[in-house]
Amino acid sequence: AQSVAQPEDQVNVAEGNPLTVKCTYSVSGNPYLFWYVQYPNRGLQFLLKYITGDNLVKGSYGFEAEFNKSQTSFHLKKPSALVSDSALYFCAAAVRNRDDKIIFGKGTRLHILP
Amino acid sequence: NAGVTQTPKFQVLKTGQSMTLQCAQDMNHNSMYWYRQDPGMGLRLIYYSASEGTTDKGEVPNGYNVSRLNKREFSLRLESAAPSQTSVYFCASSELQGINYGYTFGSGTRLTVV
Repeated sequence: AQSVAQPEDQVNVAEGNPLTVKCTYSVSGNPYLFWYVQYPNRGLQFLLKYITGDNLVKGSYGFEAEFNKSQTSFHLKKPSALVSDSALYFCAAAVRNRDDKIIFGKGTRLHILP
Repeated sequence: NAGVTQTPKFQVLKTGQSMTLQCAQDMNHNSMYWYRQDPGMGLRLIYYSASEGTTDKGEVPNGYNVSRLNKREFSLRLESAAPSQTSVYFCASSELQGINYGYTFGSGTRLTVV
């Protein structure tokens, strides 16, 4: 079965430090990978995606993610964290098929400490 | 602003009552989805509609029904609400090839069943 794992329920980072939110996937075929962010009482917002090409993908708000095929990972990163980055982050994956459904991980809550 | 609109934003039901969650998108998207979000469970797909006139079950369809009224609207109905259906419900939409572009989410409906 296809799945997405986010091994950390919560990540705490001091403001100004680099941050990493981990994601691994298990899908058949070539994966399409996404990161979404959810702020309190809001819907999910698209951050970035990997479909093909360069393994380092840049997205909104200074975030980037690195696709590693051998480790089946797609970790979210940012060089310098802001307090406003505090939110719930979801990794997601899909494989092209008739329905094109996206599978979501369980989410990682990111706390940026002032 | 263009996007996905969900109504109502909040609802409290008594066990056994019925209600319909409404979702409309104005982006001319073909595919629409209903998810529920529960703590520690991430997002779970309830039903989806790959195109107008079609609907299919997702991961957790029991206790729910859906109607794709037209290309814009996709409603979710709870015929006899149960406390286990207390959750935050999100509607999403995407282009036909949604995994190329990701999903656009509504702001959610917070449902409490007492």
